Amino acid sequence: QVQVGQSGAEVKKPGASVKVSCKVSGYTLIELSIHWVRQAPGQGLEWMGGFDPEDGETIYAQKFQGRVTVTEDTSTDTAYMELSSLRYEDTAVYYCATGPPTGNVRWIDPWGQGTLVIVSS
Amino acid sequence: SALTQPASVSGSPGQSITISCTGTSSDVGGYDYVSWYQQHPGKAPKLMIYDVSNRPSGVSNRFSGSKSGNTASLTISGLQAEDAADYYCSSYTSSSTLVFGGGTKLTVL
Repeated sequence: QVQVGQSGAEVKKPGASVKVSCKVSGYTLIELSIHWVRQAPGQGLEWMGGFDPEDGETIYAQKFQGRVTVTEDTSTDTAYMELSSLRYEDTAVYYCATGPPTGNVRWIDPWGQGTLVIVSS
Repeated sequence: SALTQPASVSGSPGQSITISCTGTSSDVGGYDYVSWYQQHPGKAPKLMIYDVSNRPSGVSNRFSGSKSGNTASLTISGLQAEDAADYYCSSYTSSSTLVFGGGTKLTVL
């Protein structure tokens, strides 16, 4: 059974960067693909990026390219999502979720508990 | 761009409802990789359907999925109070990305 745990809430100023961590247990990162999804207050889900096992590389949504970086530390089974040049509209709950280890990204589950990032001056 | 879902649907206990999810030939219509997620307020989303019509272990058989052309559908039969939640569809795309629908709020009357 995969379990996903995320780091705690963050408050950042506009222009700063935030790095959210996601630790998996029950499986290793090599056995999974990790994806990042955000949800602004009262809004829907928005996929930001994740590992595509079929292509063997991390893919980012066009909207976030150049501003988001996803990395993994397989020694601790922890993934990280760093978002730079923060804007007020980046205020959201950021989720990490696991996907299948092979093939295309057909689904993502389970999800972490979410990390609230507030951008405020 | 995001898949298109109705903003809200409602039904009485015991009834059935269907939520539609419309995309394009580059996502929903091009792959049998549509998934559906249930989200209760303040909680993380939960996978309810994957690969158009498959249920993960532990998900009630009252939930079913289908697809025709560029439109996928989630049907919930025998509505129960605990089914009240937001529902999101998602599809793999030709750009190797995932795209979500805008979400549908289900109200159980």
